Amino acid sequence: SYELTQPLSVSVALGQTARITCGGNNIGSKNVHWYQQKPGQAPVLVIYRDSNRPSGIPERFSGSNSGNTATLTISRAQAGDEADYYCQVWDSSTEVFGTGTKVTVL
Amino acid sequence: QVQLQESGPGLVKPSGTLSLTCAVSGGSISSSNWWSWIRQPPGKGLEWIGEIYHSGSTNYNPSLKSRVTISVDKSKNQFSLKLSSVTAADTAVYYCARTDKIYSSSWFGYWGQGTLVTVSS
Repeated sequence: SYELTQPLSVSVALGQTARITCGGNNIGSKNVHWYQQKPGQAPVLVIYRDSNRPSGIPERFSGSNSGNTATLTISRAQAGDEADYYCQVWDSSTEVFGTGTKVTVL
Repeated sequence: QVQLQESGPGLVKPSGTLSLTCAVSGGSISSSNWWSWIRQPPGKGLEWIGEIYHSGSTNYNPSLKSRVTISVDKSKNQFSLKLSSVTAADTAVYYCARTDKIYSSSWFGYWGQGTLVTVSS
């Protein structure tokens, strides 16, 4: 089965840029989607199809995907961006989630 | 604005069957979307369980396929999950979600708030 690997945690200083990676075999050939989950809440879609933002998601959130790594970038990080982030792809009629990354804003 | 709401027992006995329903409002379950169940054990990551189309077509996670049944009730604009032979490992927050699909890509644009199901005697 297809696997997606994310770093356990990422720390970023307030106002700086955080990059969260999602590794998978030839993931660049797939569409990657990203979710933000705050404690006690349901996940929220922040990026779909590699680099598209749903309405209401700040432009500070962006995504890219190439080779074996997809990346979610959070620019000008704010305290409210502290959350768990998950990547997700569709593979062989199965939805696959990444292992999740906890983002801490210092 | 589509809204989803899970409902069902919060406690299920081991070896029993977990049953949940997801009510969809603000949109039709007969739209061109699929509808999914996703779960999250306490303190752990997300796991996709399966999905259904209004026609009744389904896809299931191979790791759960033998125990899962997802069905749809178009008259009530809702869909349901049944998970049989549950153990403590099935304790989780269960989410329902709307699945958006384009070609070989699909994502979850709308989620329910989630419901905690505990498997315990």
